[in-house]
Amino acid sequence: DGGITQSPKYLFRKEGQNVTLSCEQNLNHDAMYWYRQDPGQGLRLIYYSQIVNDFQKGDIAEGYSVSREKKESFPLTVTSAQKNPTAFYLCASQGQENTGELFFGEGSRLTVL
Amino acid sequence: QKEVEQDPGPLSVPEGAIVSLNCTYSNSAFQYFMWYRQYSRKGPELLMYTYSSGNKEDGRFTAQVDKSSKYISLFIRDSQPSDSATYLCAISYNFNKFYFGSGTKLNVKP
Repeated sequence: DGGITQSPKYLFRKEGQNVTLSCEQNLNHDAMYWYRQDPGQGLRLIYYSQIVNDFQKGDIAEGYSVSREKKESFPLTVTSAQKNPTAFYLCASQGQENTGELFFGEGSRLTVL
Repeated sequence: QKEVEQDPGPLSVPEGAIVSLNCTYSNSAFQYFMWYRQYSRKGPELLMYTYSSGNKEDGRFTAQVDKSSKYISLFIRDSQPSDSATYLCAISYNFNKFYFGSGTKLNVKP
């Protein structure tokens, strides 16, 4: 089945550790996005990539890094510089149909202990 | 000022009620308006999208955009317990970047 796969679903991290969240898609989509979701704040854009080997900072990029070496993969690293990393992280991709549809994965919940 | 504001609720209604969910936005240049539904611990999924002003209907769901007031609405008729979820509005200038509301949590009681 086509879709977005995020892993791991749940992750615990000690303060000071970097952690990488995986996002893979088999929809052949060019654009991919990372959002952070906190209670009462909706989805906030961390990074996005319109094409392989290119990505742009979103509204809350500080403390995060990404890479886009392959079309199907867009991993997000939460670094120790991120002050408040405990959150629900959502990866999405977008096709070229211009319908406004973002296809989301099931999310990764990161808890910093 | 946030690009889009949404009442977080929660909103609790009996089964069969008509539900009205609303968002306001700040910039009249936004052209695309979307509603996403998110079940607990899942990613959001697109319900409807509209371009410019007017209404769009899909089964029990109607999306409405009033650009003069910068106001968007989602109406759910004959609400069902399976409609219980968080509903997120989203807006975009050009589909390159999306701005999401904070989401309204809806509970439809049997």
